Amino acid sequence: EPEVTQTPSHQVTQMGQEVILRCVPISNHLYFYWYRQILGQKVEFLVSFYNNEISEKSEIFDDQFSVERPDGSNFTLKIRSTKLEDSAMYFCASRDRGASSGNTIYFGEGSWLTVV
Amino acid sequence: AQSVAQPEDQVNVAEGNPLTVKCTYSVSGNPYLFWYVQYPNRGLQFLLKYITGDNLVKGSYGFEAEFNKSQTSFHLKKPSALVSDSALYFCAVQTGANNLFFGTGTRLTVIP
Repeated sequence: EPEVTQTPSHQVTQMGQEVILRCVPISNHLYFYWYRQILGQKVEFLVSFYNNEISEKSEIFDDQFSVERPDGSNFTLKIRSTKLEDSAMYFCASRDRGASSGNTIYFGEGSWLTVV
Repeated sequence: AQSVAQPEDQVNVAEGNPLTVKCTYSVSGNPYLFWYVQYPNRGLQFLLKYITGDNLVKGSYGFEAEFNKSQTSFHLKKPSALVSDSALYFCAVQTGANNLFFGTGTRLTVIP
């Protein structure tokens, strides 16, 4: 069964460093997402991406964050100048084109980021 | 604005007993509702969704959910719980921009 894959599964970085989290969405999907989950808290929407541009972003997704689809398969989340409070599990997700409402969004296994 | 409430942080049930994980929602327009499960140190797995039609929706691993429009609820159920069902369960509503807004999650523990 097709799945969203994410790398790395776990990354430890020093405060102030830049981090890039990588994702390979399901191959025929066209909508891509990043969510995050701070330990013990709920899953929060960061950003959605379609047709090579951001379609929606939350207030969490400030200038520190950026997304990119550098080629036909990868979708990346870059966090510049990481802060301690950026420590979280970051989930990539995707869904296919289909009818826009009610389509299932499929999630990857997550990238656990620890900022020290 | 959309919102989702999962009133129970923790649900404990004995193996073999029926289980219910509660979810209520508030949306403008037609609700598109989802349940996801998160096993320890794993990602979010899709269980089931309600878009339209039959109020009883069947999903993976024997789970089902009942959409109740008058009570604005979408409770997750299973007739007979397994120890392997122990996990964190999230209810979610799809927003107008086709993103998901999640509830706070309910930790289900099935006791052998």
